[in-house]
Amino acid sequence: GAGVSQSPRYKVAKRGQDVALRCDPISGHVSLFWYQQALGQGPEFLTYFQNEAQLDKSGLPSDRFFAERPEGSVSTLKIQRTQQEDSAVYLCASRSGPRAGRSPLHFGNGTRLTVT
Amino acid sequence: GQQLNQSPQSMFIQEGEDVSMNCTSSSIFNTWLWYKQDPGEGPVLLIALYKAGELTSNGRLTAQFGITRKDSFLNISASIPSDVGIYFCAGQSVGAGKSTFGDGTTLTVKP
Repeated sequence: GAGVSQSPRYKVAKRGQDVALRCDPISGHVSLFWYQQALGQGPEFLTYFQNEAQLDKSGLPSDRFFAERPEGSVSTLKIQRTQQEDSAVYLCASRSGPRAGRSPLHFGNGTRLTVT
Repeated sequence: GQQLNQSPQSMFIQEGEDVSMNCTSSSIFNTWLWYKQDPGEGPVLLIALYKAGELTSNGRLTAQFGITRKDSFLNISASIPSDVGIYFCAGQSVGAGKSTFGDGTTLTVKP
């Protein structure tokens, strides 16, 4: 497709449930990022993949958060035993190159997660 | 960790007015980026700056990469109603995977 695609657009989960959020990056893009955006704030980095390798997961808030990109294209962000503080928009972004350089991020429209 | 301070937090202006917003950091960045985010959508890149002192324009938008590499500003000239949205600055370090974002400036344009 033309852009980064995320699904579902909206997810409501009861506290304690597990959720899985999907990201389809732009075809051929090497780098893939997950960001968390709380209401009224800027995106906060969660994790970064280069192809299938997870190079940086320093932003994941706890071991309940897990991300994978097994074939170097589609990625899934999984949150186990969701808590109310996990409520946020989860943004996926992809970049054509492996390094920041002159290759900008292209963002999807996000998944809005609400934990009740 | 790295933090970006973006100001002002919000602006209310008349259509046709010029707008200026800025971003400062305690750390040096090698790339500064400005994004716009509309409700329900992801951020969209407006301008990218790669060199200290660089001044770059994109239509009515002009952005500069500060000489110290710790700040950047974005100007919008002759604002129109569709400029409404949240503007984010972001910085990248050399080789770093991630971008660090500010908390945004919310722009409201009154017709």
